[in-house]
Amino acid sequence: RKEVEQDPGPFNVPEGATVAFNCTYSNSASQSFFWYRQDCRKEPKLLMSVYSSGNEDGRFTAQLNRASQYISLLIRDSKLSDSASYLCVVNTDKLIFGTGTRLQVFP
Amino acid sequence: DAGVIQSPRHEVTEMGQEVTLRCKPISGHNSLFWYRQTMMRGLELLIYFNNNVPIDDSGMPEDRFSAKMPNASFSTLKIQPSEPRDSAVYFCASKSLTGTGQDTQYFGPGTRLTVL
Repeated sequence: RKEVEQDPGPFNVPEGATVAFNCTYSNSASQSFFWYRQDCRKEPKLLMSVYSSGNEDGRFTAQLNRASQYISLLIRDSKLSDSASYLCVVNTDKLIFGTGTRLQVFP
Repeated sequence: DAGVIQSPRHEVTEMGQEVTLRCKPISGHNSLFWYRQTMMRGLELLIYFNNNVPIDDSGMPEDRFSAKMPNASFSTLKIQPSEPRDSAVYFCASKSLTGTGQDTQYFGPGTRLTVL
């Protein structure tokens, strides 16, 4: 079993739609959690951290469920510029990256 | 401010040749990471250094791979001899071990390696 699992997608959604990505992790001792964004042929960049109480950054909302070892990312009012891969990342003593979920937003 | 700098950006070589990838971390960062990314396996940590000391090299595939960090501003990842299955994008990342945002890693643009 992979340490971090994500649906690879792609998720094809129209502009303005709401889309949610899920991620599960296997190590219950994981300490912190993140979502990174990676554009095609570019490097990953931190999108947001994920806190136990859930957190929001503009159109983006992240949730963590430690009991179920589950992380989610919700994107509201999708923009064309949101098209990218979204990597779920778990920190044990090092960062473990999921393989990413690809999002394609169309006009 | 300059981000993480990697060179070369692209490398095409023949099987059996030595390949050296270079990385300059962000000034003031004292933790450096080497990753490899492929379609099949995603982003994998190869090795990381804290204060120039290798901490975990369990991700290094085999003895053909080696990494050094002779000082705080420079690291190399060497593959000798290279094989076609080494073809991938190799990312270097750095972060600070202290202060705010210490969990945040900053990635370089990557080196796209093709071994023929």
